[in-house]
Amino acid sequence: GQSLEQPSEVTAVEGAIVQINCTYQTSGFYGLSWYQQHDGGAPTFLSYNALDGLEETGRFSSFLSRSDSYGYLLLQELQMKDSASYFCAVRSLTGGGNKLTFGTGTQLKVEL
Amino acid sequence: DAMVIQNPRYQVTQFGKPVTLSCSQTLNHNVMYWYQQKSSQAPKLLFHYYDKDFNNEADTPDNFQSRRPNTSFCFLDIRSPGLGDAAMYLCATSPRDRVHEQYFGPGTRLTVT
Repeated sequence: GQSLEQPSEVTAVEGAIVQINCTYQTSGFYGLSWYQQHDGGAPTFLSYNALDGLEETGRFSSFLSRSDSYGYLLLQELQMKDSASYFCAVRSLTGGGNKLTFGTGTQLKVEL
Repeated sequence: DAMVIQNPRYQVTQFGKPVTLSCSQTLNHNVMYWYQQKSSQAPKLLFHYYDKDFNNEADTPDNFQSRRPNTSFCFLDIRSPGLGDAAMYLCATSPRDRVHEQYFGPGTRLTVT
C-alpha cells in the first residue's frame, strides 16, 4: 500500500519562512506533487518533483529526495493569504501511474 | 477561460434518494477524476477515467457510479445516499501526460438529510 505523512499543523509569522515536510512509502514511485487548498476552496496545483533536488516557483520551492522517500515544500516571505492546507501527493505505478494519492494535509496558519 | 465546472455547488438530498453530480471541462483533458473530501481530510479518489477507460478504486462503495458520455462531461451518481456520504465532491482533470498536475473544479457540497 501507500502512505504519506505530513505534520497536521504549522504556525508561522508573516514574512517568515516555513517548511512543510512529507515522507512517503510507495512502490513504483514517479514523483511528488504539492497542492494548496484554502478553506471552502478547491485544491490548486503548486509544484511537482520527479527528480531529486529543488524546484523553485516564485516564493514557493519544493524539494525531493528519492533515496530518503522525503520531500518538502518551502514557503518564503509568508503572507496572510498563504494560510491554507497543503497536501503532498504521490504519483506511483499504482493505477498505471494515472492517479495521485494525497497525504493527510498540513494546515498552515500565518499570524501577524 | 478554460476551466472545470461543477453543478450544483450545493446539493441537499434525502437519505436513500438518488442524486447525480455533474462536472464539465473546457480544458480538453483526457483524464477526469472524482474525489470525495470530508472535513479536515485529504481528497479521497473514488474513480477516474483515462480517456474512456474507467478505473474504480478498490474501496469505492458500490453505491457510487460514474458516467463519462464524452470528453467534456463526467457524472457521479450516488444511488442510495447515506448520512456518511455527506461530503465535498471534487472533480478534477489532467492531461494524459501530466497526471501530477490536476485541475480541480470548485466542488459540490452534498448534504444528506
